[in-house]
Amino acid sequence: GAVVSQHPSWVICKSGTSVKIECRSLDFQATTMFWYRQFPKQSLMLMATSNEGSKATYEQGVEKDKFLINHASLTLSTLTVTSAHPEDSSFYICSAGSGVYGYTFGSGTRLTVV
Amino acid sequence: AQKVTQAQTEISVVEKEDVTLDCVYETRDTTYYLFWYKQPPSGELVFLIRRNSFDEQNEISGRYSWNFQKSTSSFNFTITASQVVDSAVYFCALRLGFGNEKLTFGTGTRLTIIP
Repeated sequence: GAVVSQHPSWVICKSGTSVKIECRSLDFQATTMFWYRQFPKQSLMLMATSNEGSKATYEQGVEKDKFLINHASLTLSTLTVTSAHPEDSSFYICSAGSGVYGYTFGSGTRLTVV
Repeated sequence: AQKVTQAQTEISVVEKEDVTLDCVYETRDTTYYLFWYKQPPSGELVFLIRRNSFDEQNEISGRYSWNFQKSTSSFNFTITASQVVDSAVYFCALRLGFGNEKLTFGTGTRLTIIP
């Protein structure tokens, strides 16, 4: 079946640094990928929709300059958290595929900013 | 705008009991898709089921069953003979029909199965 690989699984970084998270579709091409954020004991909130070869579409309230999304190929989308601060600590998860047939989610990245 | 409500924040049942997780959705679209996902402590989302708005047939998969009722805008999930491995957070989600692939998640229900 469709597999989405997300790396890293967890990362600890210092405040002020940037962190890149990768999301790869391993056995299918994904023209659209989605990035979600999940705070502890809360639901998944869509941050942005990543479209291959074009600019990402951000949800209201999500800072475009802080959460940089690049979808340069049909199998790779990246989320870069720039100038990370402790409040950016969260669980980030990507998904890909057609919603008609079911989304495939990555295993998530737990980001801790110290 | 669409919305998914999971009123049960946390549920605890003793192993082997049956448990039903409620999901109520709101949308004005006539074409939409409903999903259930399981999120174990490890964090990944496990796909359980997808239903389109034109198929109201209930579905059973092993110990899992789903009851879709458009009249009440509900898509409830029942686990029979619960097991400890069923302990997880369960999310109901909604996607509208054509041209919009965004998933709207409910707030989730944390299910704990007590041995």
